[in-house]
Amino acid sequence: DAKTTQPNSMESNEEEPVHLPCNHSTISGTDYIHWYRQLPSQGPEYVIHGLTSNVNNRMASLAIAEDRKSSTLILHRATLRDAAVYYCILRGAGTASKLTFGTGTRLQVTL
Amino acid sequence: DTGVSQDPRHKITKRGQNVTFRCDPISEHNRLYWYRQTLGQGPEFLTYFQNEAQLEKSRLLSDRFSAERPKGSFSTLEIQRTEQGDSAMYLCASSSGGLVADTQYFGPGTRLTVL
Repeated sequence: DAKTTQPNSMESNEEEPVHLPCNHSTISGTDYIHWYRQLPSQGPEYVIHGLTSNVNNRMASLAIAEDRKSSTLILHRATLRDAAVYYCILRGAGTASKLTFGTGTRLQVTL
Repeated sequence: DTGVSQDPRHKITKRGQNVTFRCDPISEHNRLYWYRQTLGQGPEFLTYFQNEAQLEKSRLLSDRFSAERPKGSFSTLEIQRTEQGDSAMYLCASSSGGLVADTQYFGPGTRLTVL
C-alpha cells in the first residue's frame, strides 16, 4: 500500500481555520485520498475523499495538489468538537479494500 | 440508533481464557470489517466479510483468532487462550459496497484487557 505521512500533532484556536497536511508521494493513479477522524473514545468516522479535484462537504474541504503527491484537509472553523486524530488514507477504487491507517495527526483545539 | 453496535463495550479477562465479541452492522450493509487498535496507534485491519464469506484475513490474525458472520448479518470475533498482548480496542465497521468511496461506518469498539 502506498504510504502517507502526517504531522504527529497540531494545535488550533477555536473558530480559526485549520489546514491538516498529508504527503503521499508514492500515490498511484487510481488511488483515492480518504480522510477519517477519530474522536476520543469513539470509532473512526468518515470525513471526505477525493481523486484529483478539490472537494467540499458539510464537514470539511479537501485540497489536492496538482501532482497528487500531497493533500490538505481544511476545517473552515474549528470547534472544540473537532479535537480528534485525523487520518489520511490512500485507497484503490473499485475494490472492497481495508483501510490502512497510519498514526494520524492529533488536533488540539483551544478556546 | 441505526449505527454499528458492538457488545460488550469492555471486557476484562485473565490470560488463557477465551473471549467472544459481537458486532451488529448497519442493516443491509453487506461488508463487515474487524480492526484492532492499540494505544497511540491507528486501527489495524484484521479481517473482512462480504455477506457471510470471509474474503481476507490479515497476518495479524493468528490461529487463536476466529471470526464468523453466519447469516451475513452480525459477526463474532473469538480469541482463544488470550495473551496480554491481545489487550486492545477491537473495532468493527460495515459498508454498503460502493465502487469508489465505500465509506466504512465504525462501531464504538470493545476494549479488551487481559490480566
